[in-house]
Amino acid sequence: GENVEQHPSTLSVQEGDSAVIKCTYSDSASNYFPWYKQELGKRPQLIIDIRSNVGEKKDQRIAVTLNKTAKHFSLHITETQPEDSAVYFCAALPFTGGGNKLTFGTGTQLKVEL
Amino acid sequence: EAQVTQNPRYLITVTGKKLTVTCSQNMNHEYMSWYRQDPGLGLRQIYYSMNVEVTDKGDVPEGYKVSRKEKRNFPLILESPSPNQTSLYFCASRPRADNTEAFFGQGTRLTVV
Repeated sequence: GENVEQHPSTLSVQEGDSAVIKCTYSDSASNYFPWYKQELGKRPQLIIDIRSNVGEKKDQRIAVTLNKTAKHFSLHITETQPEDSAVYFCAALPFTGGGNKLTFGTGTQLKVEL
Repeated sequence: EAQVTQNPRYLITVTGKKLTVTCSQNMNHEYMSWYRQDPGLGLRQIYYSMNVEVTDKGDVPEGYKVSRKEKRNFPLILESPSPNQTSLYFCASRPRADNTEAFFGQGTRLTVV
């Protein structure tokens, strides 16, 4: 099955700096890579996703890049703000017609300091 | 409002006392799943369902049961809870099994003593 590794587990940045979170996956059949943000005491919510036919996607201050050859993808947050502080999860989904399990990484606790 | 609703939000129970956590979605989604979230381990899938009467095991199914008698409901059953099932549980639904956004419930914090 799919295995997703996520680094770092914790990340502290100064307000206004950039933050980068990296993930690797193992199953070459994975073709959908979402990122979820979980604020303290809340449910995970999708912030951005990318499909395997795209190398990069941007949405305002967040962007995701995908390297299918190397099997890794990254989340980039620019001009970080205190409200970006949360746990971020990457995930990978292989569309195989059976199960289609969304496998998550172990999460990154991002802290944006004033 | 489109949503996934779990109940209860918090539950403290004793070892061996059967319990059910309910999950309901009003978006007509085909695919539903249960996850548990533990520190340092991320979100791990317990069970999933691709449609009514179709369920299968995820990565950590031991000690859990599910059913999918109706499209909107996907309850999680712990027949004989043990302390190692103390965790934060999330139900999630997706429109289909393929590459679509997952919507999560509010979470259920379960403590087994």
